[in-house]
Formats: sequence, C-alpha cells, structure tokens
Amino acid sequence: QITLKESGPTLVKPTQTLTLTCTFSGFSLSTGGETVGWIRQPPGKALEWLALIYWDDDKRYSPSLRSRLTIIRDTSKNQVVLTMTNMDPVDTATYYCAHGNSYGPTHFFDYWGQGTLVTVSS
Amino acid sequence: DIQMTQSPSTLSASVGDRVTITCRASQSISSWLAWYQHKPGKAPKLLIYKASNLESGVPSRFSGSGSGTEFTLTISSLQPDDFATYYCQQYNSYITFGPGTKVDIK
Repeated sequence: QITLKESGPTLVKPTQTLTLTCTFSGFSLSTGGETVGWIRQPPGKALEWLALIYWDDDKRYSPSLRSRLTIIRDTSKNQVVLTMTNMDPVDTATYYCAHGNSYGPTHFFDYWGQGTLVTVSS
Repeated sequence: DIQMTQSPSTLSASVGDRVTITCRASQSISSWLAWYQHKPGKAPKLLIYKASNLESGVPSRFSGSGSGTEFTLTISSLQPDDFATYYCQQYNSYITFGPGTKVDIK
C-alpha cells in the first residue's frame, strides 16, 4: 500500500526559503519507473504542478517556477524534499506530494498525501 | 505551455442526476488526460486516466471520454458522496491542471 505524508513549517516569512519533506512508503524511488511529484493549491484556487523527481534522479520543474524550486530525494529514508526560495504571500497554499504514474509521456498522480498548509506572512 | 479549461465552473445538481463536465486543451494531448475528485481537507482522488480508463476501485458511474482537445467526465447517477470539485490534468507535455468544476447540491 502506497502512502505519502508531507511535513514542514506552517508559517514562513516573505523572502524566506520553504523546505517541505515528503515521506513515503509502499514503493522505492530507486526502482525503475517510480516518480514523486509536488503539487500545490492556493486557497480557493486550482491545483498547480510544481516539480517531479524520477527514480534515476532526473528532475522536472514547472517552467513558471523553475528558478525558485529544487527537488531532491533521499532513497535511504524514502523521502523527497522540495525547496522554494523567495517565498511571497501568493505562495500561500496547501502543498501536496504525490506518487507519479508513468503511463504516458509524463505523469498523472495515483496516490496523494493529505497535504500541508503553508502560510506566507510577516 | 498547454492550457486547460473546464466548463462549467460550477454545476448544481441533485442526487440521481446525470452530470457531464467538459475539459478542453489548448492543443492536442492525444488521450493523455486524467480526472480527479477533490473534497475540502482531503487528498485529491484519481478517477480516470488516459481519458477513459477507470482507476481501480472507482465506481462505474464515473466514465471519461474524448481525445485530442476535448474531453468529458460523466457521472451517470450522482450520489451524495460525489459532491466535490473535479479537475482534469493533461500529461502530454509537462503537467497542467484545469481550473476545476465544483459540483454542488441543487
């Protein structure tokens, strides 16, 4: 059974760097075909894909946020970490990590964490 | 970038109604489209992938169709548990979600 859980700060100040951790079980990110992604949802708005990391450590980022995002994995801990620099109040959102399914050119997401709300405010 | 639109943005319906949600892509995405159901405070739930493939465990009242740039999600007989927001997502090039369709009680 695949499960994912996000953790990190609930409040960050403008200009700070956000670091979120996704801890997962039920699969290994060193197994061929496996991927983990991050998606966010600002209050009252739509889902927005942020980043994806592959089993071979390849990475993909949203073109609009690429300069601010870094995604890394720790296969020994079954964790994926997302950092986002220069946080702004518009980055206030619920951040989700999800297991990617590679049945296609890129990915859809078949298992999701519960999400963690991050508020950006001074 | 591939842009996704959905219509309607809000849909009011009653239990037992047949509900159809439309998703359009700004360019052809073949059949690389997924549908999710999302309830407040919960994780999004995958319903459909590759436009018409029902995810395991999803009730058969949900169905998807379409290819190219136009897609539909149909709920054949709306149940109380189905009141939620529905998102489409293209995965032909990068990943883009639609703006969502909220299905609420009429």
